[in-house]
Amino acid sequence: DAGVIQSPRHEVTEMGQEVTLRCKPISGHNSLFWYRQTMMRGLELLIYFNNNVPIDDSGMPEDRFSAKMPNASFSTLKIQPSEPRDSAVYFCASSPGQGPSNQPQHFGDGTRLSIL
Amino acid sequence: GDSVTQMEGPVTLSEEAFLTINCTYTATGYPSLFWYVQYPGEGLQLLLKATKADDKGSNKGFEATYRKETTSFHLEKGSVQVSDSAVYFCALGNTGFQKLVFGTGTRLLVSP
Repeated sequence: DAGVIQSPRHEVTEMGQEVTLRCKPISGHNSLFWYRQTMMRGLELLIYFNNNVPIDDSGMPEDRFSAKMPNASFSTLKIQPSEPRDSAVYFCASSPGQGPSNQPQHFGDGTRLSIL
Repeated sequence: GDSVTQMEGPVTLSEEAFLTINCTYTATGYPSLFWYVQYPGEGLQLLLKATKADDKGSNKGFEATYRKETTSFHLEKGSVQVSDSAVYFCALGNTGFQKLVFGTGTRLLVSP
C-alpha cells in the first residue's frame, strides 16, 4: 500500500523566497495533519483538515504560513516569505477521519527545509 | 486540556538490557493511547496502541499496558537491540477528528 507521500524530501532556499511543501495522503483517509519538528520545540501540530476543510489552524505560527487542501488527495503548506527560523522537518500525516479516536495517524517521511 | 508527559532522554542501554520508558497522561473521558517510533531520517511509525483500560498493546517485542488508575502507558521491552535505537513518542487520542496529543519524545541509544 502506498503511504503518505511528501515532496520534496529536502529543500534548501534563501531567506525571503516562497516555499511550497506538498502532501498526498493515503487514499480513503479523510483527515490530514501538518506538523513541524525541531530540536528546540519538538513536534508541533500546525493545522489539520477533515474532508478538505481546515478544522484547527491554531498551531500555524504566523501569517507567513498557509495551508490548503483543494481535494481529498492533495495538500500544500506554503511559507511566504521564508525566514531562517522556519528551518525544520515538516511532516504530513493522515488518518481515516472522524469517528472513534483509536485510529492511528500515518506519517510521511517528511520534508527537511533549510532556509539560508 | 489533554496532555502527555514522557521521561526525559536520552536513555542509554547496552544490548539485551531491559527497557522502560515512562509515559503518563491527563485527559477527560476515555482516550486511546499510542506509542510511535521515529528512526533517524524517517517519519513517525505506529509501534502499538491500546484503546481502553487494562488493554495491552504489543509489537516487535515492545509492550505497554493502559493503566487508568495511574493514568500511565509505560513502554517496555525485555531485551533491546542496537536496531531499537530511535526516538519514542507517547500519544493520546481523544477527539472525533483523531487529533493526537504527543509527548516530547524520548531518545533511546543502545550500544553493542
